[in-house]
Amino acid sequence: NAGVMQNPRHLVRRRGQEARLRCSPVKGHSHVYWYRQLPEEGLKFMVYLQKENIIDESGMPKERFSAEFPKEGPSILRIQQVVRGDSAAYFCASSPYLSQETGELFFGEGSRLTVL
Amino acid sequence: QQQVKQSPQSLIVQKGGISIINCAYENTAFDYFPWYQQFPGKGPALLIAIRPDVSEKKEGRFTISFNKSAKQFSLHIMDSQPGDSATYFCAASNPKSFQKLVFGTGTRLLVSP
Repeated sequence: NAGVMQNPRHLVRRRGQEARLRCSPVKGHSHVYWYRQLPEEGLKFMVYLQKENIIDESGMPKERFSAEFPKEGPSILRIQQVVRGDSAAYFCASSPYLSQETGELFFGEGSRLTVL
Repeated sequence: QQQVKQSPQSLIVQKGGISIINCAYENTAFDYFPWYQQFPGKGPALLIAIRPDVSEKKEGRFTISFNKSAKQFSLHIMDSQPGDSATYFCAASNPKSFQKLVFGTGTRLLVSP
């Protein structure tokens, strides 16, 4: 009964490097969400994906950030040319529900990115 | 209009007391209001949720009170225990937003022994 698995749990990058965060949803879940949590703040929506499709990326910065959820394998959140302001905890969540219904999101334990 | 405002930012309650956290929203399209609990170093986990067709929902020691006309909802933790010490987030979503939750800024609860 594995939950949402995220890796790496901690990632340190220097400014200008790339960060790649991976998320394996709960088995059978086809909806994946990425949220960002800055210190002492709530979670902010970034992107919602279904298999091979980006459904809503309204919360994701237009530059340097990209996300994918391929047919096989985990979802990937990619941050190119990282800056110090990208330092945050990135949480992945998954859901089995149809996109037009509301319901519980199952969160992973997060990937904590530190940019030096 | 997409914001959910949460208060207080932090809360200290004695063991056995009642913890109360409040949230307010503006978007009347919101129709799902969950509370998530987060322990340090962990991801948020759903605690309890309510929809606007009821004014109260209770699960064990946790109760959500919902006031549709005031656009407010609150979490009550009865008989608070040290194990309840965590950060609590209220959230909201509307049916046209693909379960995109809008979170409050969180309340850090400390229950003293």
